[in-house]
Amino acid sequence: AQTVTQSQPEMSVQEAETVTLSCTYDTSENNYYLFWYKQPPSRQMILVIRQEAYKQQNATENRFSVNFQKAAKSFSLKISDSQLGDTAMYFCAFRPLGYSTLTFGKGTMLLVSP
Amino acid sequence: ETGVTQTPRHLVMGMTNKKSLKCEQHLGHNAMYWYKQSAKKPLELMFVYSLEERVENNSVPSRFSPECPNSSHLFLHLHTLQPEDSALYLCASSQDLTGDYEQFFGPGTRLTVL
Repeated sequence: AQTVTQSQPEMSVQEAETVTLSCTYDTSENNYYLFWYKQPPSRQMILVIRQEAYKQQNATENRFSVNFQKAAKSFSLKISDSQLGDTAMYFCAFRPLGYSTLTFGKGTMLLVSP
Repeated sequence: ETGVTQTPRHLVMGMTNKKSLKCEQHLGHNAMYWYKQSAKKPLELMFVYSLEERVENNSVPSRFSPECPNSSHLFLHLHTLQPEDSALYLCASSQDLTGDYEQFFGPGTRLTVL
């Protein structure tokens, strides 16, 4: 069984600054995917970024990037140039290769202030 | 919008009521999921359907009864719920259950049990 741990229940950052959200996971699988999902208040959960475990290069999507450390089983999300619209709950999730079921962490509430 | 809709968006019910949550996906997907999202807890996978057959039931109490009449619709029938069942119920869908397909989420139904 896999577990995903997000140790930061809440984070705050000011507009235009950079923030890093932490995630660790535990699995015996060698091939898998990791995800960060964003859930804005009263809105749908959407995929922010994904990382394939077999790729050494860290994934990047515009202002969002990850620091994937496979040996340490760590998968942090860095948000650069934070915007007010980044205010949301962020969930880290794990999925084994070849299967669509996700395992989620508890989430981190990010508040971006002016 | 991600193509997954849920109705109602908010529901308040008494413990003796019977109600149903509806999920519809317009993406042509074959797999659908029900999740329970409670505060300060990871998303809990409740049920998984693939091609209208239930393939996973994660020890969910019988007061929750899923139904998948076709690959586009998923229901969650509720009866004699408890206050601790109050939560956000999320529906998701993916192209298939096996294979590397992303899940797309609906906006959720906020359920309050009095």
